[in-house]
Amino acid sequence: KAGVTQTPRYLIKTRGQQVTLSCSPISGHRSVSWYQQTPGQGLQFLFEYFSETQRNKGNFPGRFSGRQFSNSRSEMNVSTLELGDSALYLCASSPGDSSETQYFGPGTRLLVL
Amino acid sequence: DQQVKQNSPSLSVQEGRISILNCDYTNSMFDYFLWYKKYPAEGPTFLISISSIKDKNEDGRFTVFLNKSAKHLSLHIVPSQPGDSAVYFCAASATSGTYKYIFGTGTRLKVLA
Repeated sequence: KAGVTQTPRYLIKTRGQQVTLSCSPISGHRSVSWYQQTPGQGLQFLFEYFSETQRNKGNFPGRFSGRQFSNSRSEMNVSTLELGDSALYLCASSPGDSSETQYFGPGTRLLVL
Repeated sequence: DQQVKQNSPSLSVQEGRISILNCDYTNSMFDYFLWYKKYPAEGPTFLISISSIKDKNEDGRFTVFLNKSAKHLSLHIVPSQPGDSAVYFCAASATSGTYKYIFGTGTRLKVLA
């Protein structure tokens, strides 16, 4: 089975721009979660989608949004980028139940200048 | 409020010896715990998990111990190998409804040859 894929792998944007990141989960997985990783902060949970619905949300401002399509692929959008949004954005998929292990993609490294 | 804490940012261990990575949590609703390993420029890789109905789970060189009364879990790696050098994250989830994992800030393990 192919793993979780994320595109693009690297991205450079300037302040004020918006960005869309994409995640394709493992085939058959219906849950997709997004995390932000910055040095010293670990992985901060952004949101989780299941069957095209946002099932849970972390403590991030409304500039961060996401969606999930009928094929379980997910996108994450950040509007009005700030310097502090520079981070590694990770996507993880799981079959669907909250007790199940999440499998991560390689991440998208975003640099905001 | 950091619900999952890894108080040691780094750890160095000699090859062949035991590595012990620790993780503490505060939320008594957490009942499923995982350990992930992360190499630079890659997404976290699932290592091992444990449910709160157990106090130990073993997989090859990796053993996770859970002490529910102390709200503490640890990952033991025996024997440690240079390829184990990575950042290790613990994560916790409350399976009764939150559908999200809370991650610690990670411990960087360096195994010295």
